[in-house]
Amino acid sequence: GEDVEQSLFLSVREGDSSVINCTYTDSSSTYLYWYKQEPGAGLQLLTYIFSNMDMKQDQRLTVLLNKKDKHLSLRIADTQTGDSAIYFCAEPFRGGNTPLVFGKGTRLSVIA
Amino acid sequence: DTAVSQTPKYLVTQMGNDKSIKCEQNLGHDTMYWYKQDSKKFLKIMFSYNNKELIINETVPNRFSPKSPDKAHLNLHINSLELGDSAVYFCASSPPARGGYTFGSGTRLTVV
Repeated sequence: GEDVEQSLFLSVREGDSSVINCTYTDSSSTYLYWYKQEPGAGLQLLTYIFSNMDMKQDQRLTVLLNKKDKHLSLRIADTQTGDSAIYFCAEPFRGGNTPLVFGKGTRLSVIA
Repeated sequence: DTAVSQTPKYLVTQMGNDKSIKCEQNLGHDTMYWYKQDSKKFLKIMFSYNNKELIINETVPNRFSPKSPDKAHLNLHINSLELGDSAVYFCASSPPARGGYTFGSGTRLTVV
């Protein structure tokens, strides 16, 4: 199947950490991606991780990959109100360089 | 300069009409895509196209057709518009290999 699963909503307080989880289906995926969509805008590539890595850190963002469980997570440290957006997990369908399949998106709300 | 640009940004039209959405990218990317985002923000791939291959999501009605006059453009033509076609349509492009997509800002189509 091609389903990428995410919880739909997450609410955190400003300054706390946010953790957005995703499960994917294709074990042959070479890269896995996180995209951010702000209201009225297109999707912006946040970060990606190669499948031979367990973790990738980029400033406030930490991506964890558990290949055994096909689980991907995005941690945002010191969450700010500007982080409020929809976050999409994505993987290439059937691996390789095929079109990305996106999860349903997690709407992150940051409470001041 | 906008990397992936779509026009128009908003399109309101009556059922049964034929319409086109244009997309241009100035990134020199090889592959372009059309995605549909419904009212729940779910994203579905419609087409992916490079100069060698058109990949069509088999769930897309044949009223939708991509047209690519050159490598930098992938337009979306829709015949006999239906109410259910109302959505936001996103164009994207990607280079070979890693596949990090650059998205346009979307075209909000409303069929009345």
